Amino acid sequence: KAGVTQTPRYLIKTRGQQVTLSCSPISGHRSVSWYQQTPGQGLQFLFEYFSETQRNKGNFPGRFSGRQFSNSRSEMNVSTLELGDSALYLCASSSRQGQSGNTEAFFGQGTRLTVV
Amino acid sequence: AQTVTQSQPEMSVQEAETVTLSCTYDTSENNYYLFWYKQPPSRQMILVIRQEAYKQQNATENRFSVNFQKAAKSFSLKISDSQLGDTAMYFCAFMNRDDKIIFGKGTRLHILP
Repeated sequence: KAGVTQTPRYLIKTRGQQVTLSCSPISGHRSVSWYQQTPGQGLQFLFEYFSETQRNKGNFPGRFSGRQFSNSRSEMNVSTLELGDSALYLCASSSRQGQSGNTEAFFGQGTRLTVV
Repeated sequence: AQTVTQSQPEMSVQEAETVTLSCTYDTSENNYYLFWYKQPPSRQMILVIRQEAYKQQNATENRFSVNFQKAAKSFSLKISDSQLGDTAMYFCAFMNRDDKIIFGKGTRLHILP
């Protein structure tokens, strides 16, 4: 079973530009979450999608947006990039399995975004 | 609001020793999941162990085990016979029924030869 795939792995963008990151979840997983990881703030929750609907949203400005497609793949977009947006962006997919409610959450390798 | 607190920013232990990483959390929910993730220098987040809140029995995975105290909202990770490859950042995490994961700030663990 393929893991969570994030593309691209590395990106360098200029202030003011916009960027789109992609996440393909594990097959069968319908929930996709996005996180921003920086040395100072740690891992911060951006948003979570389930069946193409945003269920949860973190405390980030409206420049950060996302969407999920019918095949559960998700994209994250950041507009008008700022230097402070430089971070590792991680995507995680999860599913709930059966009546026991067991759940697993798996992460991709992340996209390292550098804003210059 | 749910929060996860890891009170140990950094720890160092000798190889083969046992080490315990602390984690406390706050939630008003009754059904949830707790995780410990490991993030080595490669930055890949790796699930170490998982605990369902409705299970009283503590989860174990080989050298990794947890001490889950639901009433105290405590979820510590014990690593037995620590190995050099255990050197990493360890994150305690909480997942609610909406699959939103909240992470602690992490504990940087160094295993010394």
